Amino acid sequence: GNSVTQMEGPVTLSEEAFLTINCTYTATGYPSLFWYVQYPGEGLQLLLKATKADDKGSNKGFEATYRKETTSFHLEKGSVQVSDSAVYFCALSRTGNQFYFGTGTSLTVIP
Amino acid sequence: DTGVSQDPRHKITKRGQNVTFRCDPISEHNRLYWYRQTLGQGPEFLTYFQNEAQLEKSRLLSDRFSAERPKGSFSTLEIQRTEQGDSAMYLCASSLRQGRDEQYFGPGTRLTVT
Repeated sequence: GNSVTQMEGPVTLSEEAFLTINCTYTATGYPSLFWYVQYPGEGLQLLLKATKADDKGSNKGFEATYRKETTSFHLEKGSVQVSDSAVYFCALSRTGNQFYFGTGTSLTVIP
Repeated sequence: DTGVSQDPRHKITKRGQNVTFRCDPISEHNRLYWYRQTLGQGPEFLTYFQNEAQLEKSRLLSDRFSAERPKGSFSTLEIQRTEQGDSAMYLCASSLRQGRDEQYFGPGTRLTVT
């Protein structure tokens, strides 16, 4: 079946620290991979996506590379800010008919 | 530019009552999805529509749940005889076409069953 496993949180970092949130997936075929972010009190927003192996998605300083050999899509940012505090969800889509989400990783960045 | 909207944002109801939620997708999007999210979990797929046709339903969608999209625009999700286990955030999303396109999510309707 299709599933996503995310690194458990919560994660607490100091401002300007390096961020990695691990995500691995199980899927048949070639899924599209996504990172969504949910800020406090707001809905899910697309952060970045990658649609084929070796693609790198990037947005707002965040990056993730679609690694088929390790079935991973880890989220990274070189220098986090307080405003990055949110819950991050990794997701996959096989057919576009539904998304499969991970359980989410809560990030808190302290000044 | 208007995104996906949902109404109401919050609903408190007593066990056994019926509730109905509405979702208005982005206007040019022909696909509409419903998800349920409980505390500490990611969204779980419930059902989706392409235009007015309901094409897929999750086994999470028990007989007490029904969704419609009568004219291929807005959608409603009804829960009959609510149970405490139905307490969750109900999310609606829309997309332009299938395949690689991302889904755009609404703010959700938080249901509390007392």
